Amino acid sequence: GENVEQHPSTLSVQEGDSAVIKCTYSDSASNYFPWYKQELGKGPQLIIDIRSNVGEKKDQRIAVTLNKTAKHFSLHITETQPEDSAVYFCAATIYKYSTLTFGKGTMLLVSP
Amino acid sequence: SAVISQKPSRDICQRGTSLTIQCQVDSQVTMMFWYRQQPGQSLTLIATANQGSEATYESGFVIDKFPISRPNLTFSTLTVSNMSPEDSSIYLCSVVIDSSSYEQYFGPGTRLTVT
Repeated sequence: GENVEQHPSTLSVQEGDSAVIKCTYSDSASNYFPWYKQELGKGPQLIIDIRSNVGEKKDQRIAVTLNKTAKHFSLHITETQPEDSAVYFCAATIYKYSTLTFGKGTMLLVSP
Repeated sequence: SAVISQKPSRDICQRGTSLTIQCQVDSQVTMMFWYRQQPGQSLTLIATANQGSEATYESGFVIDKFPISRPNLTFSTLTVSNMSPEDSSIYLCSVVIDSSSYEQYFGPGTRLTVT
């Protein structure tokens, strides 16, 4: 089955800096890659996703890139703010099955 | 997206007892799932809740321990049976709204502590 590796496990940045979180996946058939933000005491919130026919997607301060050949995808957050502090999870799936395999998560801490 | 609610939001239970968690969606959805998130860990899929038929369980999860129902397109329940402290986790339901969409949305979770 699919295996998703996520790095780093923790990331501390200063407000205004950029943050990058990287994930690799093992199943070349995976074609959908969402990213979730989970704040303390809440369920995961879908923040951005990318499909395998796209190399990059951007939504305001966040962007995701996908390298199908290398089987890795990354989350980029620019101009970080304290409210970006949370645990971020990457995931992968084969679209028609929809069952997500998650990475282990990255705790992002943005200091004012 | 969809508005997903779960009941209860949290509970403390005695070992050996069972707890049923409800997931309610504000609109009909094509797929519903149940995940477990152990303390400080990632999310692991328990099963896919199938409307009108038995749930599809992932490796390591069995129907006797985690019976699931999905009587219609907006509601599902997960029961955690014969609980032990190892079952202390956050249990999350998620939905895919329709067959043409990729996006999966999560409920707020049920925080279960077993003593």
